[in-house]
Formats: sequence, C-alpha cells, structure tokens
Amino acid sequence: QVHLMQSGTEVKKPGASVKLSCETSGYTFTTYTMHWVRQAPGQGLEWMGWIDPGSGSRKYSDKFHGRVTLTSDTSASTVYMELSSLRSEDTAVYYCARGIIQWLGYWGQGTLVTVSS
Amino acid sequence: EVVLTQSPATLSLSPGERATLSCRASQSVDTYIAWYQQKPGQAPRLLIYDASNRATGIPARFSGSGSGTDFTLTISSLEPEDFAVYYCQQRHNWLFAFGPGTRVDIE
Repeated sequence: QVHLMQSGTEVKKPGASVKLSCETSGYTFTTYTMHWVRQAPGQGLEWMGWIDPGSGSRKYSDKFHGRVTLTSDTSASTVYMELSSLRSEDTAVYYCARGIIQWLGYWGQGTLVTVSS
Repeated sequence: EVVLTQSPATLSLSPGERATLSCRASQSVDTYIAWYQQKPGQAPRLLIYDASNRATGIPARFSGSGSGTDFTLTISSLEPEDFAVYYCQQRHNWLFAFGPGTRVDIE
C-alpha cells in the first residue's frame, strides 16, 4: 500500500533554512505528483507547491515563490522540500501529499517545524 | 490568484441532521474542486474530487455538487465521526489553494 514517511521534528532559528524529506513506498514513484501543504498551529491548510518526479516539473504558490524549493531523488523514492529565510510565521506542521487524479489522496504523517530564536 | 471562501465558519448540528457546507471561488474553476475532512491531530482526508466524485472508501452520505464558482458539500445524516473541519481546495492553471475551512461541531 502507499506509504509516505516524513522526516522528524525540526527547530530552527530565524533566517535559517530547513529541508524536509518525504520517503515513499508502495507505488511507482515517478508516476504521481507530490504536493507540500503546511498548517500553522490552530490554523487552516496552506498549499505550498507540487513536483512531478517523473518530468521534474514544479509549481509553487506565489506566496512561497523564491523561498521554497522542491526536489526529488528517484533512486531513493524521496521528495524534499526546502524552505529558506525562515521566520516565526513559518512555524507549522508540514505535510507531503501524493496526487490522486491531481488531488491530494495520500498524506504523510506531518513534520513539525518550529522557528524560534 | 483564485481565492476560496467557505461558509459558515462553524456549523453546530446534532447527529442525524443534514449538513450543508458552501465553498465559493473568486472566479470560475470549472469543476476543479475537492473537499477534505480533517480531525484533530490527523492529516486531512480526501472526500470529494472534481466537485462531485467520492474518493475511494468514502461513505455515500457525503456528496458534492456545483460548478463554476459555487460548490456544496452535503452530509446527508451526520454520524458522530463526521464532526471535524472541512476544507475545499481548488485547482486553477495547475496552482492549488485551500479555503479557510468550516468546522462542524456537535450542538
């Protein structure tokens, strides 16, 4: 079955970068897009971007454009999300989610990123 | 950029009642709308995609409708496990965005 395993909790200082991973199993890695979504404490869902590991295509939300980079490693069936110039407002749980007919059908368990001085 | 609004922000109902949740887009998104359910401490779950198609394993009491700018998620008869937050999501020009969510509470 499809499984998305995300990397562990991160604590970062303002201005730093964070790189999260999402290791996949149970399906052909290059066949489906992978999205990243975040959720600040007590807040709603915020879509960040997607990557197509098969073609390398990417799309980013305008809000994060320039600060977020999505990459993939086909040999490891893993997708990465790097967010730079971190600020306190970036404190959130970050999810990877695999596409199903373009929608977000399978989700990772989430990674908490705390940004604090 | 297409912006989604959801109403009401909170819906207080009793088990067995019908829930009607609204999602409105700032411009037409055709039928490129999905609905997700999220319970505390859990990742969201896809319920409905392309406005009216139930995802695999989703009970028939969940239904979606609409096209263009106005969309509705209906839960025909609320079960105790349906009390949660519901988000709509749109896709436009391969960019996605979520609405702010509707919380369905037990009255």
